[in-house]
Amino acid sequence: EPEVTQTPSHQVTQMGQEVILRCVPISNHLYFYWYRQILGQKVEFLVSFYNNEISEKSEIFDDQFSVERPDGSNFTLKIRSTKLEDSAMYFCASSGLGGPNEQFFGPGTRLTVL
Amino acid sequence: GENVEQHPSTLSVQEGDSAVIKCTYSDSASNYFPWYKQELGKGPQLIIDIRSNVGEKKDQRIAVTLNKTAKHFSLHITETQPEDSAVYFCAASNTGFQKLVFGTGTRLLVSP
Repeated sequence: EPEVTQTPSHQVTQMGQEVILRCVPISNHLYFYWYRQILGQKVEFLVSFYNNEISEKSEIFDDQFSVERPDGSNFTLKIRSTKLEDSAMYFCASSGLGGPNEQFFGPGTRLTVL
Repeated sequence: GENVEQHPSTLSVQEGDSAVIKCTYSDSASNYFPWYKQELGKGPQLIIDIRSNVGEKKDQRIAVTLNKTAKHFSLHITETQPEDSAVYFCAASNTGFQKLVFGTGTRLLVSP
C-alpha cells in the first residue's frame, strides 16, 4: 500500500541553525501539506501546496519557513533559523486522486531545538 | 476561522464495550470530517471520514454520524479491542484542498 515517507525520523539542531525536513508524498498525489504537533497537543496546519505554489498558510508559517518541491517526488520544509519553540513533530501529508480532502500522513520528523 | 472541540479528552472502556467520541465545529461551511487514529510515535492514520451530504457512515466496527444543524459529529467504535487503544482526532475542512482543523484529541484506553 502506498504511503508517505519522511526523513529524518529525528533531527536535533542548535537554535539559530537551518533545518530541512524531507517528505516523499504518495505517487500521483497532487496536494501536499505540512502540519506540526507540539508534544501532547493537537495537530496544527502549517501550509498547503499545489501546482508548485503555496495555496494556504497559517500564522505559524512565517518568513522563517519555506516549502519546495525540488523534483517530481520530494517535498521539503525548511526552517531558516530555528527557535526553541520550533521543537515539535512535523508531519507531511498528501492527497490526490481520492479527493483533495482525504489526507494521508507520514510518520513524522521529531525536531528538537537545543 | 474554524474551531473544533472534542470530548472527552480521555476515555477508558472494557474490551467489548462501545466507545463514543464527540466533536463540534464552528464553521457552517465545513463539509468534510475525517477521523484519525494516532498510535504512539506514529503519524495520524485516517480511519473513516464523512462528507456533509451524508448523515452516517459505517465501516465494520467503526461508524461516524454527522448533524449539520447542530454542527457536531461523532465517532462510534463497537466491540472495542485492546488494539483500538490510541489517541483519536477529529478534524474539519471545507471545500477544495483546504487545511484540516483538528480537535484536541481523545486518548482511548481499552482494557482486556
